[in-house]
Amino acid sequence: ELKVEQNPLFLSMQEGKNYTIYCNYSTTSDRLYWYRQDPGKSLESLFVLLSNGAVKQEGRLMASLDTKARLSTLHITAAVHDLSATYFCAVDMYGSARQLTFGSGTQLTVLP
Amino acid sequence: DVKVTQSSRYLVKRTGEKVFLECVQDMDHENMFWYRQDPGLGLRLIYFSYDVKMKEKGDIPEGYSVSREKKERFSLILESASTNQTSMYLCASSLLGLTRGYEQYFGPGTRLTVT
Repeated sequence: ELKVEQNPLFLSMQEGKNYTIYCNYSTTSDRLYWYRQDPGKSLESLFVLLSNGAVKQEGRLMASLDTKARLSTLHITAAVHDLSATYFCAVDMYGSARQLTFGSGTQLTVLP
Repeated sequence: DVKVTQSSRYLVKRTGEKVFLECVQDMDHENMFWYRQDPGLGLRLIYFSYDVKMKEKGDIPEGYSVSREKKERFSLILESASTNQTSMYLCASSLLGLTRGYEQYFGPGTRLTVT
C-alpha cells in the first residue's frame, strides 16, 4: 500500500522567511504532484514533477523530486501572506486509472 | 483550460433521501474520480472510473454508488443519505499527458449537509 507523508502538518511562519515542506512516499514512483487549497475552495494544481531531479518554480515556490530518496520538497522563499493555504502532495499509483494517493496536507499560515 | 463542473456548490438534504451529485468535464478525459474531504482526514477516494460504464471502488465506497453513462459525466449517488455523509465532495478528472502525467483537475466541490 502506497503511503504519502507530509511534514510538517501545520506551519506558521513570518513574512519574508524561507521554509520547506517535505513529502515522503513509500514505494517506487516517478510522478509527483503538488496542489494548493484555499479555505472553502477546491484543489488547484501547482506543479507536476515527472522524473528524478525534476525542479519546477513558480514565483516564491519551488518544488523538486528525488525518486531515489522517495522525497519531494516544496520550498517557500520570502513568504508573503497570499501563500497562506493548505498544500498537498500526491503520488501516482500504478493501476487502472492511475489514481493519486494524497498526503494529509500542510496548512501554511504566513503571519505579517 | 480543462473545466470540471459540479452540479451544486451547496446542498442540504434530509436523512434517508436519495442524493445525486453530478460532475461534468469538458476535456475528453478518460479517468474520473469522486473524493470526500473532511477536516483532519484529508482526501479520501470514494469511487473512480477509467472508462464509460466502468467503475471501481476506492477506499470508502460504503453508502455510495456511481454512474458513468457518458464519458464526460460521472455521478455520485447517496442511496439513503445519513448525517455521517455530511462532507465536502470533490470531483476530479485526468488523462495521461506527456508533460502533465496523470495530473488531476478538480471541480469546485459540493458541500453537502445531511440533517
